[in-house]
Amino acid sequence: DQQVKQNSPSLSVQEGRISILNCDYTNSMFDYFLWYKKYPAEGPTFLISISSIKDKNEDGRFTVFLNKSAKHLSLHIVPSQPGDSAVYFCAASETGTASKLTFGTGTRLQVTL
Amino acid sequence: KAGVTQTPRYLIKTRGQQVTLSCSPISGHRSVSWYQQTPGQGLQFLFEYFSETQRNKGNFPGRFSGRQFSNSRSEMNVSTLELGDSALYLCASSLQGGLDYGYTFGSGTRLTVV
Repeated sequence: DQQVKQNSPSLSVQEGRISILNCDYTNSMFDYFLWYKKYPAEGPTFLISISSIKDKNEDGRFTVFLNKSAKHLSLHIVPSQPGDSAVYFCAASETGTASKLTFGTGTRLQVTL
Repeated sequence: KAGVTQTPRYLIKTRGQQVTLSCSPISGHRSVSWYQQTPGQGLQFLFEYFSETQRNKGNFPGRFSGRQFSNSRSEMNVSTLELGDSALYLCASSLQGGLDYGYTFGSGTRLTVV
């Protein structure tokens, strides 16, 4: 049972445009969400996180939006750059087992020139 | 500062054998978590150690075990290897296990079981 779902396995965006990566979850106990980026042959790199008490968190070009009623979060990258081409994972955790992250299966983002 | 170091990077083992993977966290980090990444399942949580104690555990069989030493280094052991254990094993470290700064992952150990 996949509790965190990334339904788009891949996404292609032109350089300079906005990239929107989506993530849905089913477990209503999740209250903290993270996004990671992964390049080939490297471990995932933490990008940005959001607590369920917020609905938006920004860090430079990266913004994460959380819609708790829809159990949906999204990562916006503006403007997209070629170096952003990677696999993006969303992850979620529950209070009390904070270290136990449940990951989605990832979305491969390709930023083209 | 040095990142999370996992050794070895690659490993080939035969079915039925056992294997031990090692993870050295970032200096000062006390929490170490292990994940298995496979193409079909994505990243799945194995367990987390904090101050030498297992604090959280995922849904893996007892063949998967781990430990953490007083210097926070951690090892993961898989006994009686099966073909399905072929995967990238990632460890991640964190200062206290909190989420404010996420977890820092190592580059992983790719295990192939033949």
